[in-house]
Amino acid sequence: GQQLNQSPQSMFIQEGEDVSMNCTSSSIFNTWLWYKQDPGEGPVLLIALYKAGELTSNGRLTAQFGITRKDSFLNISASIPSDVGIYFCAGQETSGSRLTFGEGTQLTVNP
Amino acid sequence: SAVISQKPSRDICQRGTSLTIQCQVDSQVTMMFWYRQQPGQSLTLIATANQGSEATYESGFVIDKFPISRPNLTFSTLTVSNMSPEDSSIYLCSVEDYRSNYGYTFGSGTRLTVV
Repeated sequence: GQQLNQSPQSMFIQEGEDVSMNCTSSSIFNTWLWYKQDPGEGPVLLIALYKAGELTSNGRLTAQFGITRKDSFLNISASIPSDVGIYFCAGQETSGSRLTFGEGTQLTVNP
Repeated sequence: SAVISQKPSRDICQRGTSLTIQCQVDSQVTMMFWYRQQPGQSLTLIATANQGSEATYESGFVIDKFPISRPNLTFSTLTVSNMSPEDSSIYLCSVEDYRSNYGYTFGSGTRLTVV
């Protein structure tokens, strides 16, 4: 089955710093999704990517769908304390097929 | 995005008992998905539930342990049967959400502790 490798596992940064995390896959995906999960909550969709090479922003967040369709990255610029949480990538081979989730990146932002 | 109400939000249960988790969506959806998130882990798909047909289970999950109902296009239940401490997890329902550019929206989860 598909495997998604997400890195880093955890990050400890100072407020104001930029953050980058990425996911690589053993399979080609047609869709990449990035989620954030706060404690006690379900994951919340941040960005959805549907085309190879696509670069999409959502406020201070930017994500890209890799050209090979086997990878994606998420950048957070000028981090703030409320960025703390677990970030998950998820890939989908075809529309309507199962999502495969990465292992998550735990982000800690020190004020 | 779609609004998903999931109940209960948390429960502590005795081993050997069963718990039914409800998921209500504010719009009609074709497929609903049930996930398990073990402590400190990522999300693992348990099954896909279509209205009017039996749920499709992923490898490692069986209907006897996790029976699912899907009586209409806005509602589903997942039952965790004959629970053991290893079933302690967060259980989440999800739908494909055309209002969120076809990303998948999740409920807030049910945090289950089995003692």
